[in-house]
Amino acid sequence: QKEVEQDPGPLSVPEGAIVSLNCTYSNSAFQYFMWYRQYSRKGPELLMYTYSSGNKEDGRFTAQVDKSSKYISLFIRDSQPSDSATYLCAMSADPYSGAGSYQLTFGKGTKLSVIP
Amino acid sequence: NAGVTQTPKFQVLKTGQSMTLQCAQDMNHNSMYWYRQDPGMGLRLIYYSASEGTTDKGEVPNGYNVSRLNKREFSLRLESAAPSQTSVYFCASSLGGQDAYTFGSGTRLTVV
Repeated sequence: QKEVEQDPGPLSVPEGAIVSLNCTYSNSAFQYFMWYRQYSRKGPELLMYTYSSGNKEDGRFTAQVDKSSKYISLFIRDSQPSDSATYLCAMSADPYSGAGSYQLTFGKGTKLSVIP
Repeated sequence: NAGVTQTPKFQVLKTGQSMTLQCAQDMNHNSMYWYRQDPGMGLRLIYYSASEGTTDKGEVPNGYNVSRLNKREFSLRLESAAPSQTSVYFCASSLGGQDAYTFGSGTRLTVV
């Protein structure tokens, strides 16, 4: 079982739809959770950063972490064509806890297209 | 504020040639990373440097070497390029291991 699983899509939605992107993971030591957005032929850029369980909202974007289910989600409200990109989840354990590796573990990304 | 700068942006090599990919960050980050990204494979870590003076292997280090020249710069060297190393290479940096990464814009490498 891979440490982080992410449905690669592609996912195609009409403009204005609510988008739900998800990742599951197996390492219970993960505590830091991130979502990156990658436009075509560009480097990934940080979208959301959360620590432990709970929700975080930033404009049209909401990140949710459910550590009991080992499941994280990114919701995009009122999706726009400019949201068309690949979304990567990433997570890490406390590097000083001895419970995980130092670096981030990435999902393979979900390609999203928002159709006008 | 440039963030993470990678050079070159594009490169074509012949099998067996060598080259060095350069990366520099201006955010005073401690940690730096080299990834390759291939279709269907996601981002795979080649090497990382947790702090100046240290380097460690990642998931796919074979065929590569790295040098952490100073706190700002982290280079990736291909000693004898192979077609299997055709990929997009990203450099990234972070303050620490659990912190968000800042990525460069990538180097598209083709080995023929």
